[in-house]
Amino acid sequence: AQSVTQLGSHVSVSEGALVLLRCNYSSSVPPYLFWYVQYPNQGLQLLLKYTSAATLVKGINGFEAEFKKSETSFHLTKPSAHMSDAAEYFCAVSSNSGGSNYKLTFGKGTLLTVNP
Amino acid sequence: SQTIHQWPATLVQPVGSPLSLECTVEGTSNPNLYWYRQAAGRGLQLLFYSVGIGQISSEVPQNLSASRPQDRQFILSSKKLLLSDSGFYLCAWRRGQGSYEQYFGPGTRLTVT
Repeated sequence: AQSVTQLGSHVSVSEGALVLLRCNYSSSVPPYLFWYVQYPNQGLQLLLKYTSAATLVKGINGFEAEFKKSETSFHLTKPSAHMSDAAEYFCAVSSNSGGSNYKLTFGKGTLLTVNP
Repeated sequence: SQTIHQWPATLVQPVGSPLSLECTVEGTSNPNLYWYRQAAGRGLQLLFYSVGIGQISSEVPQNLSASRPQDRQFILSSKKLLLSDSGFYLCAWRRGQGSYEQYFGPGTRLTVT
């Protein structure tokens, strides 16, 4: 079985400050990991993905994440927050363990607020 | 490029009425298709997925059903809606082997009154 824990349901930062959203996963096999962003009343947009290549993954809008197997973590960072980054962020894990057909298991989400 | 559509965008239905939500994908063939529900405070819940025409796997027992009548069409249905069916319904697709990420549609907001 696989699971995702996002620490902090709500994170608030000032514009220009570092953004750090935490994600820890559990998986019995090497996982594939993803971060998605959701703006109000919209679908989820893929920010970045880890699929067993480079452990430091760069995504869209200046976000990046680092896969750390020893810590079972995949934290999302951005050096300088913009007002437009305010949204809800979801971490997700996928594998084909037990014939799960690469279904995504999501964390509960972290709402990012950016203060002017 | 690939595009995923969902309709309707919003829907208000009385309890006990039927439901039909549609999802279509353009620009790819034989995608894996998924239905999720996002309810307030309950995160994203996978409802159904399909690896091909007529092949549906159900994740959560409930009064919803899914069908895939065509390669790029995925339909979510109910014969009688419950209040608890209210939520934001998201369709997603994934390419076949060698691809692991899912791409999501714009969603349908369903309110059961």
